Amino acid sequence: DAKTTQPTSMDCAEGRAANLPCNHSTISGNEYVYWYRQIHSQGPQYIIHGLKNNETNEMASLIITEDRKSSTLILPHATLRDTAVYYCIVRVEGAQKLVFGQGTRLTINP
Amino acid sequence: EPEVTQTPSHQVTQMGQEVILRCVPISNHLYFYWYRQILGQKVEFLVSFYNNEISEKSEIFDDQFSVERPDGSNFTLKIRSTKLEDSAMYFCASKRTHGLARGGGINEQFFGPGTRLTVL
Repeated sequence: DAKTTQPTSMDCAEGRAANLPCNHSTISGNEYVYWYRQIHSQGPQYIIHGLKNNETNEMASLIITEDRKSSTLILPHATLRDTAVYYCIVRVEGAQKLVFGQGTRLTINP
Repeated sequence: EPEVTQTPSHQVTQMGQEVILRCVPISNHLYFYWYRQILGQKVEFLVSFYNNEISEKSEIFDDQFSVERPDGSNFTLKIRSTKLEDSAMYFCASKRTHGLARGGGINEQFFGPGTRLTVL
């Protein structure tokens, strides 16, 4: 699976959009971009994933650049409960394991 | 909403003792996983299980570890002789299917709340 690079930490004000970047310059054509988050030692939680088109669900939006070398997870109206570590993971569809990096520690401030 | 459950939430054991961590995956899921997270470190994959056999395991998953699906609903992780360095959060996860052809399909792993294992 391709390697990803994320900032160690970010802050965002409550109610604002949180934009979390991820670099995956070595991504190959059959690899998807997945985002998970982990709220304070709870089990990781799936957020969203995509291949090359932008995706949106009830939790977030995923913007993938045209060359697929980077992506941005957008939480449109961040709340205090969105404070968590966010993991960007690149993997082949059907791959069994998730390989977690250090992720980005996002703190939502009141 | 269906969820993965794990018991106990916290297990304290003496070094050298056997422990069994229990998980009840989501009922129509077919793929099962164990991960662990040592305090302050990354979440690490241990093992995946499908069709009553291990499909993949990491270097961490040595002979001291075993998994079982004894009754069609539970999924267990056994550590035969615990070591101090086995102290960690252990997460169970399950997934419904291998994934569909369209856009990744239903290929999400759902995680349980974890069992905190403390080895003294």
